[in-house]
Amino acid sequence: GDSVTQMEGPVTLSEEAFLTINCTYTATGYPSLFWYVQYPGEGLQLLLKATKADDKGSNKGFEATYRKETTSFHLEKGSVQVSDSAVYFCALQNRGGTSYGKLTFGQGTILTVHP
Amino acid sequence: DSGVTQTPKHLITATGQRVTLRCSPRSGDLSVYWYQQSLDQGLQFLIQYYNGEERAKGNILERFSAQQFPDLHSELNLSSLELGDSALYFCASSVEGRVNTEAFFGQGTRLTVV
Repeated sequence: GDSVTQMEGPVTLSEEAFLTINCTYTATGYPSLFWYVQYPGEGLQLLLKATKADDKGSNKGFEATYRKETTSFHLEKGSVQVSDSAVYFCALQNRGGTSYGKLTFGQGTILTVHP
Repeated sequence: DSGVTQTPKHLITATGQRVTLRCSPRSGDLSVYWYQQSLDQGLQFLIQYYNGEERAKGNILERFSAQQFPDLHSELNLSSLELGDSALYFCASSVEGRVNTEAFFGQGTRLTVV
């Protein structure tokens, strides 16, 4: 079946540091890939997405590139802010079979940014 | 605000009881998804409805059931509750229940079983 593996957290950084959160996936078909963010006490919000190989999703300074050859979709940001502190989820959405748009999530990575 | 409304926000109940969680999707969205977020299992897909019909099923227990009504709101019914059912339950909606249609999430219902 489909699965997503994220780097173990939590991740603690100082403001303006570089962020990488690793994400790899296993899928039977050719999935679309997503990063969602969950701020404290809130639901999940779509951060960025990529629907085909070599696509780069970007939003709010965050970027991730769909790498089919390494089945990866690593999240990066050049300079994090305190307001980026949240839980980040990598997810895939498979096109095949009876997936009908359901999302398969990684376990989430807690990011804490200190001033 | 995602436009997806879940009620109640918090629920505390005893083992063996039954509860109903409610979800109102964004205006115009036909598809509703339910997810469970727990510390040990992470975020897991439970079930999806599209325009009143069940479309996909995930790791949903037999003690759990759901439905989508003609006005498109959805309810998730959890019965014979166990301590392990304590979790955050999210509802999400999308215009269509297909790949590449963005899903918008509600703020969740936190269920505590004591």
